[in-house]
Amino acid sequence: GQNIDQPTEMTATEGAIVQINCTYQTSGFNGLFWYQQHAGEAPTFLSYNVLDGLEEKGRFSSFLSRSKGYSYLLLKELQMKDSASYLCAVRDSNYQLIWGAGTKLIIKP
Amino acid sequence: DAGITQSPRYKITETGRQVTLMCHQTWSHSYMFWYRQDLGHGLRLIYYSAAADITDKGEVPDGYVVSRSKTENFPLTLESATRSQTSVYFCASSESPDSSYEQYFGPGTRLTVT
Repeated sequence: GQNIDQPTEMTATEGAIVQINCTYQTSGFNGLFWYQQHAGEAPTFLSYNVLDGLEEKGRFSSFLSRSKGYSYLLLKELQMKDSASYLCAVRDSNYQLIWGAGTKLIIKP
Repeated sequence: DAGITQSPRYKITETGRQVTLMCHQTWSHSYMFWYRQDLGHGLRLIYYSAAADITDKGEVPDGYVVSRSKTENFPLTLESATRSQTSVYFCASSESPDSSYEQYFGPGTRLTVT
């Protein structure tokens, strides 16, 4: 079966750095997405990786290792507004997105 | 307004009733999707559509019906609502399922079946 694992919840301090991991086992791989979802709102796109390596976008970076079935999202200089759930999704061989259950990130002052 | 909208935003219905959730997008995206989101689960695909008059089942289609007579609209109907269909429903659209094209999500409909 297809499976995407993320930690359920993480806590970090304002101004710090946090890494959210995602491991996946899917039938085929056509890219990995990270989305942010604030409570009661829709998911919004953060990043996309299809080749191994690091993609940087301002305070957010995303890393992919296809051989290990592993990705992480790195958030730097954490702000209170970064308190949200972070969703990992893999596009499989049928070009459908398979979603993890999300990681709830709590930022403390 | 440009973008993707859903209506209603909140709905309470009784078991056995038929209910339709609406989704409208203004980008002329070819692909549209319906997901449900439940605590402890990732988003789960109910149905998707590659173009007008082309729809296909996702992971959890049972109890749902979709249609797409126009590119911009993709309604989801629960034919006879059950308590297990209490959930938050998101509609999404995308230019293409390929490559880096991300999906854009509507604001969601919170449905409660009593």
